Amino acid sequence: AQSVSQHNHHVILSEAASLELGCNYSYGGTVNLFWYVQYPGQHLQLLLKYFSGDPLVKGIKGFEAEFIKSKFSFNLRKPSVQWSDTAEYFCAVTRNSGNTPLVFGKGTRLSVIA
Amino acid sequence: DAGVIQSPRHEVTEMGQEVTLRCKPISGHNSLFWYRQTMMRGLELLIYFNNNVPIDDSGMPEDRFSAKMPNASFSTLKIQPSEPRDSAVYFCASSYTPMSSYEQYFGPGTRLTVT
Repeated sequence: AQSVSQHNHHVILSEAASLELGCNYSYGGTVNLFWYVQYPGQHLQLLLKYFSGDPLVKGIKGFEAEFIKSKFSFNLRKPSVQWSDTAEYFCAVTRNSGNTPLVFGKGTRLSVIA
Repeated sequence: DAGVIQSPRHEVTEMGQEVTLRCKPISGHNSLFWYRQTMMRGLELLIYFNNNVPIDDSGMPEDRFSAKMPNASFSTLKIQPSEPRDSAVYFCASSYTPMSSYEQYFGPGTRLTVT
């Protein structure tokens, strides 16, 4: 079965600091990879996704993620965080074989302080 | 487009009562997913439908949970009888299969509290 591991449960950063959130998945086949964000009190929104091609994916709000197949990783990065990035971030994977459900990591809570 | 619509947004009920959660997917989408979010277990799939047909309900906790999709624009998740451990946020998501991106769009969720 697929599983997703997010290494950090809670990350606290100052504004303008750089961010990297780790994500590893376990599945030997071809996968689609996603990062979703959940702002306080809101629903899940897609930040970015990877299906094929360039392993460096750029998403909304200055976020990017790099797919490293050999490491089964899809880490999320942002060079300079803002207070408004305070949210919970979820890495998710789905098999590349049709419209299959997302398997989510446990999430990483990011708190950005001024 | 209004996005995925869920109702109610909040539900507080007593143990033993029946609870029905509702979802209207995005028009034209043909896949619908029900997820549950708890502090302990994170986000988990309960059940999903393709073209109104249940494909995988292995995530449904037990027989107290049931889900239906009578048509392409409506789905329900029913819990009967409800228990305190069912307290969670229940999300509905929809997607359109022929799109290569398989992106799922989430509704705002229903926060269920069972006392």
